[in-house]
Amino acid sequence: DQQVKQNSPSLSVQEGRISILNCDYTNSMFDYFLWYKKYPAEGPTFLISISSIKDKNEDGRFTVFLNKSAKHLSLHIVPSQPGDSAVYFCAASAPGADYKLSFGAGTTVTVRA
Amino acid sequence: DAEITQSPRHKITETGRQVTLACHQTWNHNNMFWYRQDLGHGLRLIHYSYGVQDTNKGEVSDGYSVSRSNTEDLPLTLESAASSQTSVYFCASSELAGGTDTQYFGPGTRLTVL
Repeated sequence: DQQVKQNSPSLSVQEGRISILNCDYTNSMFDYFLWYKKYPAEGPTFLISISSIKDKNEDGRFTVFLNKSAKHLSLHIVPSQPGDSAVYFCAASAPGADYKLSFGAGTTVTVRA
Repeated sequence: DAEITQSPRHKITETGRQVTLACHQTWNHNNMFWYRQDLGHGLRLIHYSYGVQDTNKGEVSDGYSVSRSNTEDLPLTLESAASSQTSVYFCASSELAGGTDTQYFGPGTRLTVL
């Protein structure tokens, strides 16, 4: 049973506009969340993370928001650029489970010129 | 520069054959992980290791094994390849024992089992 869900398999956005990627989780023990970005024929690379003690974390054009009560997090990319076209994976970890990462299925983002 | 490499990058094999995928990292990280990526499932953990001689099963470990004889390498063995094991395999490593630490991924191995 997948504990981390990305219900939108794809997202198309115009260059310069905002991209919003969503992620839901079911395990209330998750206390650390990460986003990874993956280009074709490459391995995933870390993008941004957030601890459960925060509700927002920013890094340049990327902001992650966490709503613990709703078990929901989102990644905002502003402004979107053509180089942002990739697959984005949401991941989460919980203490007491060897801190293994549980990944969502991914969202493919396409930024249109 | 430190890196994590995987070989081969592509492999075609037949059902029932034993296959070994290599993973080598020069980060000197204690922790190493093997994942498989399948459409609709994202990345699923196969096996992981938190140090030499330490190995642990992940959520999809059936039919796979690993061994850790040194810090740098964590080879993944498919004992008897099955068509259901056709997938893209990623190796990763991290410094700290825990999901709060960034995992660095290799470029992946695309395995096809005919």
